[in-house]
Amino acid sequence: GAVVSQHPSWVICKSGTSVKIECRSLDFQATTMFWYRQFPKQSLMLMATSNEGSKATYEQGVEKDKFLINHASLTLSTLTVTSAHPEDSSFYICSALPDSDTQYFGPGTRLTVL
Amino acid sequence: QKEVEQNSGPLSVPEGAIASLNCTYSDRGSQSFFWYRQYSGKSPELIMSIYSNGDKEDGRFTAQLNKASQYVSLLIRDSQPSDSATYLCAVRFNNAGNMLTFGGGTRLMVKP
Repeated sequence: GAVVSQHPSWVICKSGTSVKIECRSLDFQATTMFWYRQFPKQSLMLMATSNEGSKATYEQGVEKDKFLINHASLTLSTLTVTSAHPEDSSFYICSALPDSDTQYFGPGTRLTVL
Repeated sequence: QKEVEQNSGPLSVPEGAIASLNCTYSDRGSQSFFWYRQYSGKSPELIMSIYSNGDKEDGRFTAQLNKASQYVSLLIRDSQPSDSATYLCAVRFNNAGNMLTFGGGTRLMVKP
């Protein structure tokens, strides 16, 4: 149980394009999901908390207009990186909670912006 | 500022030895503690959680919690080369909802 999937696993795009990443909880419902970013050899950085049916809560320094989050159902949250630039290249990881306490992570999406 | 601190390592142990990974945290009132393992290029996977003072064992893994000292550790018995990874300590601080604060991780290398 507690399986979280992400799609796509990796994506390469040109600078200026937008990229959508999906995070799904496969065997449970998740009212809350989290989006993280991880640069090489660095730890996880929380970007935002995604809440089903309401607006996401963004961490300080994360631009909400650049990283659009939509949590339209209890099993799906999407992160859209708008007008991506090379500095947005990173490993994006979501997590979801089947209960009130434990986060399970998706496999991650590696984004490369040329 | 609520923080979780880990020695970045690398911690090198021979195969078959006990690996001891340590973590300290700043909020004395914290209640939930987690250890995740992250292989290079992969996302973190949960090893175990611990909520009460003392030891919690799961196979070759033992988590130890000392709330008075604000210290949580992970012991890996009979270390294997496949245990080589970065180990992340995560703490759910009081009044943080479901958010976890992660340490920077300790890189473990198990040498055959």
